[in-house]
Amino acid sequence: EAGVTQFPSHSVIEKGQTVTLRCDPISGHDNLYWYRRVMGKEIKFLLHFVKESKQDESGMPNNRFLAERTGGTYSTLKVQPAELEDSGVYFCASSQRFGLAGVETQYFGPGTRLLVL
Amino acid sequence: DAKTTQPNSMESNEEEPVHLPCNHSTISGTDYIHWYRQLPSQGPEYVIHGLTSNVNNRMASLAIAEDRKSSTLILHRATLRDAAVYYCILYTGANSKLTFGKGITLSVRP
Repeated sequence: EAGVTQFPSHSVIEKGQTVTLRCDPISGHDNLYWYRRVMGKEIKFLLHFVKESKQDESGMPNNRFLAERTGGTYSTLKVQPAELEDSGVYFCASSQRFGLAGVETQYFGPGTRLLVL
Repeated sequence: DAKTTQPNSMESNEEEPVHLPCNHSTISGTDYIHWYRQLPSQGPEYVIHGLTSNVNNRMASLAIAEDRKSSTLILHRATLRDAAVYYCILYTGANSKLTFGKGITLSVRP
């Protein structure tokens, strides 16, 4: 079974440019999450999709970030325009939702390393 | 979100057992205790979880205190591949997000 995949693995862009990150979850996983770690900080939650719907986007830092999950399969996270403080590692995770809360396991991708110059 | 407290780091010798502690004194009755780890240059990886009883799986064991205010992740025989940051996370599933702290960095000496 293929795991969570993310593309690109690395991206280097200049301040003001646009970058789009892609995440392909494990097939059949309704839940899709985005997290990120900025330099020296802890991994922070960004948002959560259930199928194509945004369940929780409380962690999105500002309106320069736009996440989509058309058709409930893969997801994209667009940063426009990128700022220096957006540099970091962006992780995607997916999971199945079980009936009993608390036992959900999230499977993470390898991350996209974004550097904004 | 309920918080956990872990030491910053721990060292172990290869093939010896490792006990990674976690304090969660404000845990609620519905919180599950989850452990994830992050190997260098990889995404976090699920290790184990439990509610009240001790748990074993192929990767590790989880010992949970009777009052549930602390737990210990046990790696029975550390290998070099186990060198990673280990995160102890309280998880209700109510909003489904994982709240990562700083974790504990485990180093394994050959």
